[in-house]
Formats: sequence, C-alpha cells, structure tokens
Amino acid sequence: GAGVSQSPSNKVTEKGKDVELRCDPISGHTALYWYRQSLGQGLEFLIYFQGNSAPDKSGLPSDRFSAERTGGSVSTLTIQRTQQEDSAVYLCASSLALRGDGYTFGSGTRLTVV
Amino acid sequence: TQLLEQSPQFLSIQEGENLTVYCNSSSVFSSLQWYRQEPGEGPVLLVTVVTGGEVKKLKRLTFQFGDARKDSSLHITAAQPGDTGLYLCAGGKSNYQLIWGAGTKLIIKP
Repeated sequence: GAGVSQSPSNKVTEKGKDVELRCDPISGHTALYWYRQSLGQGLEFLIYFQGNSAPDKSGLPSDRFSAERTGGSVSTLTIQRTQQEDSAVYLCASSLALRGDGYTFGSGTRLTVV
Repeated sequence: TQLLEQSPQFLSIQEGENLTVYCNSSSVFSSLQWYRQEPGEGPVLLVTVVTGGEVKKLKRLTFQFGDARKDSSLHITAAQPGDTGLYLCAGGKSNYQLIWGAGTKLIIKP
C-alpha cells in the first residue's frame, strides 16, 4: 500500500487478556519500528527490525511484550496478560533505513485495557 | 542517556502571531527531523536537516540546525489554526535510530 497500515485502529480489552497488534509497512522499507505513546506525550521506543538482522528489543517494557516480523514485511506486536498501564497508542513506522531518512508512521492502534 | 529536550512543552497563541519552539541536546546528531502529529494520527515528517547551521523553509515554517548539530529550532510566522498539533523533534544517530523529544503541544486560536 501507499502508507503504513495498522490494525485494529482501536482495541478495548479486559485486564489479563492477550492482544495482537498488526503493522503492514510500506513495501520495500527494510526498517520497522514500534513505539508507544501515552496521551499527548512523546514516543517511547519499543522494538526495531532491520532486514534480516536480530531485532533491537531494548525498549520492550516487560517480558509480556513481544514482536515478530515475518518475511521482512508484516509485523505483529503481542502483549500478554494486559495490564491497565498498557493502555496507550501503539505506533508503527517504517523507513528505508538510510541515514537521515524519515519515518512514515501508521495511524496507530489505541489500546484501552479495562 | 541521550536526551532531546523540547521547549516549551505547551504553547497557546492567537492566529497571526509568530512563535519559536526549541529542541536541545548535549549530544551531537547526524541529522535532526521535525514531525507534526494531529489527534488520532501518527507523526508526519516535516523536514530533515543534516548540516550544521542549515536553514530550511517550508512556507511559513523555518527550521534551523545548530552549528554544532546539538540543537534545532522551528519558527512559525503568522500562525494559523491549521498549524495546531504536537510538534516532535528527533535526532538521528549513526545506527539509523532516532532519539525523540517529548514534544511541544501547539494550539492556535482563531
């Protein structure tokens, strides 16, 4: 597609349930990033995929969070046993991974844990 | 820890006024990017500056990268309600990742 597509756009889940968030990056973009954004705040880095290299998972807040990227394209962020503090907007971005190249973001998934 | 500090955190002004927001760090960056984010959307790239002292203009927006490549500013002339949004700066490092500021929330009142 022409842009980064994220689904679902909104997700309400009960505390303790698992959720999967999907990101479909721009075709040809080798770098893919997941960020978390609390209401009106800046971006919190979660995980970074670059080509076939091992992902940089240094931003994942706990072992309840995991992500994978299949075939160098679509990525799924999974949150197990969700907690209320997981409520946020989860943003995915992709880029050509050239120095100075900008990111193209999706519209995000707004996750609400009740 | 590499930090990018943005100021002010919040700014509310009348249509037609000028404003400047700042992005400062003690670290040197290979590039500096500015994004604008509107409610319910992801950030959208406005500009990338890569050379110390570089100035780029985008209609009423003027972006400057500091000579030492540690800071940047965004100046808006004759602000309009459509400029309302969250402005984020992000510094590029050699590993292709970006260091993000916390953002400046800008409201332009008609």
